[in-house]
Amino acid sequence: DGGITQSPKYLFRKEGQNVTLSCEQNLNHDAMYWYRQDPGQGLRLIYYSQIVNDFQKGDIAEGYSVSREKKESFPLTVTSAQKNPTAFYLCASSIVVPGQGFSTEAFFGQGTRLTVV
Amino acid sequence: SQELEQSPQSLIVQEGKNLTINCTSSKTLYGLYWYKQKYGEGLIFLMMLQKGGEEKSHEKITAKLDEKKQQSSLHITASQPSHAGIYLCGAAATSGTYKYIFGTGTRLKVLA
Repeated sequence: DGGITQSPKYLFRKEGQNVTLSCEQNLNHDAMYWYRQDPGQGLRLIYYSQIVNDFQKGDIAEGYSVSREKKESFPLTVTSAQKNPTAFYLCASSIVVPGQGFSTEAFFGQGTRLTVV
Repeated sequence: SQELEQSPQSLIVQEGKNLTINCTSSKTLYGLYWYKQKYGEGLIFLMMLQKGGEEKSHEKITAKLDEKKQQSSLHITASQPSHAGIYLCGAAATSGTYKYIFGTGTRLKVLA
């Protein structure tokens, strides 16, 4: 079955450590996204990528890094520079409509809950 | 930059009651998407609206997009406990950036 997979579901990190969250999709979608969700709040965009080897900063990119070496993979690294990394992280992908300049509905993974200990 | 504001932030209703959630954009929306999220899980796509004045329904949920394409509403008729969760509106950016942003979310609780 096609879908988008995030791993791990729960992650614990010590202060000062970098940690990488995995996101893989087999939907053949061009665009992929990372969001952060804090308790009681909506989703805030961290990074997004339209094509392989290209990505753009979202609204809260500081302290995060990404790579897009393969179409199906878009890992997110939470660096030690991120002051408050404890949150729920969601990865998504969507189809980019050629010539229209917009993305269709996004498909989401089940999320990774990151806790700093 | 474009922002999406949702209201209300939270809602508690008695089972069987109708309710409406609103989503307002600071700019004209190119595509408006409604999602539902159960606590601690990913988002489930509900409906997409693109044309001004468009209205779509699925089971007891109806979504509308105003003519100016800057405001959308989600209406639930005869709410049930299964409708509980967080409802989010999302919007695809206009040509060139492919950003996909979300509203602040509305937390719905339905009392049995």
